[in-house]
Amino acid sequence: GENVEQHPSTLSVQEGDSAVIKCTYSDSASNYFPWYKQELGKGPQLIIDIRSNVGEKKDQRIAVTLNKTAKHFSLHITETQPEDSAVYFCAASKTGNQFYFGTGTSLTVIP
Amino acid sequence: ETGVTQTPRHLVMGMTNKKSLKCEQHLGHNAMYWYKQSAKKPLELMFVYNFKEQTENNSVPSRFSPECPNSSHLFLHLHTLQPEDSALYLCASSLGDRGYEQFFGPGTRLTVL
Repeated sequence: GENVEQHPSTLSVQEGDSAVIKCTYSDSASNYFPWYKQELGKGPQLIIDIRSNVGEKKDQRIAVTLNKTAKHFSLHITETQPEDSAVYFCAASKTGNQFYFGTGTSLTVIP
Repeated sequence: ETGVTQTPRHLVMGMTNKKSLKCEQHLGHNAMYWYKQSAKKPLELMFVYNFKEQTENNSVPSRFSPECPNSSHLFLHLHTLQPEDSALYLCASSLGDRGYEQFFGPGTRLTVL
């Protein structure tokens, strides 16, 4: 089956700096890569996703890049704010109903 | 609020108890999911239902028994659980079961004594 690895497990940045979280996947057939944000006491919430026919996608301060050849994808958050502090999960899927998740990155934005 | 509610939010049970987790979605979706979230481990998909029919069962032990009476409600019946089953159980829903955004509920924090 698919194996998704996520790094780093914890990340601290100063407010206003950028944060980058990286994931690798093993199954070259995976074609959908969502990113979720989970705040304390809440379930994960989709923040951005990318499909394998696109190399980059941006939504305001958040961007995701995908390198299909190397089988890795990354989440970039610019101009970080304290409310960006949360746990972020990457995932990969080739069927659209089976999602394989990374182990999460705990992001802390220091004011 | 995501439109997916779960009750109870917290549950403590003994290994011989029988309890049920409930999930309800108010989004008009057709697919519903149960996930298990343990510390330091990836989210694990347990079950998938599409139009009330179970379409995925990821080798989940029989002490977990799902029930989906309609597209808006999903239950997880628990019996004779083990301490290692302690985790956050998340319910999610999506418009369909293939490639659609999943909306998660807040989860039920389960502790098995």
